Amino acid sequence: DTAVSQTPKYLVTQMGNDKSIKCEQNLGHDTMYWYKQDSKKFLKIMFSYNNKELIINETVPNRFSPKSPDKAHLNLHINSLELGDSAVYFCASSPPHRQVHTEAFFGQGTRLTVV
Amino acid sequence: ILNVEQSPQSLHVQEGDSTNFTCSFPSSNFYALHWYRWETAKSPEALFVMTLNGDEKKKGRISATLNTKEGYSYLYIKGSQPEDSATYLCASQEYGNKLVFGAGTILRVKS
Repeated sequence: DTAVSQTPKYLVTQMGNDKSIKCEQNLGHDTMYWYKQDSKKFLKIMFSYNNKELIINETVPNRFSPKSPDKAHLNLHINSLELGDSAVYFCASSPPHRQVHTEAFFGQGTRLTVV
Repeated sequence: ILNVEQSPQSLHVQEGDSTNFTCSFPSSNFYALHWYRWETAKSPEALFVMTLNGDEKKKGRISATLNTKEGYSYLYIKGSQPEDSATYLCASQEYGNKLVFGAGTILRVKS
């Protein structure tokens, strides 16, 4: 069973389109994240949700909107896609921070290519 | 904003060599330090999470130390093997779960 699963794995789309990336975790974790791997291979946090509540919202364009229907899901919707949005997006989850071991578990990543 | 830095950026070693990498992070507002191993075309996998100054953790041939007062952590690999080739990421965690990653150290082990 995949602990953190993202779909799709690859996404090729045209500029101006709206697309969504889905993420689901079956670990019972309270916290989920979206990270973007930029052109320099850095992993940069975009959003974090704790029990469906947004707790981290880094400086990303408001064309990016996370949606958490329940604590096992955190989807990323992107409006009006631009060439610069091409990147690999990683979803992750972690247990509540009050627990001792709070390593994050990552999905396999979604490679988004905007043409 | 945390600034997590890793060095070296990349490292090429021969099979059997021991090696180490450095992660430096701001010591203020520190909660935990994470090390992840990231193989190409896979997702990052946690190696260690350390919270206390002086922590040392070990998993097989890989070990890590933590100095929270001066803001650095070392990752050691003893007797490197080709399967150790990967990118090693460290991340500093603030209270509230925000993980800020360094750029990683790319390790290539030649047989």
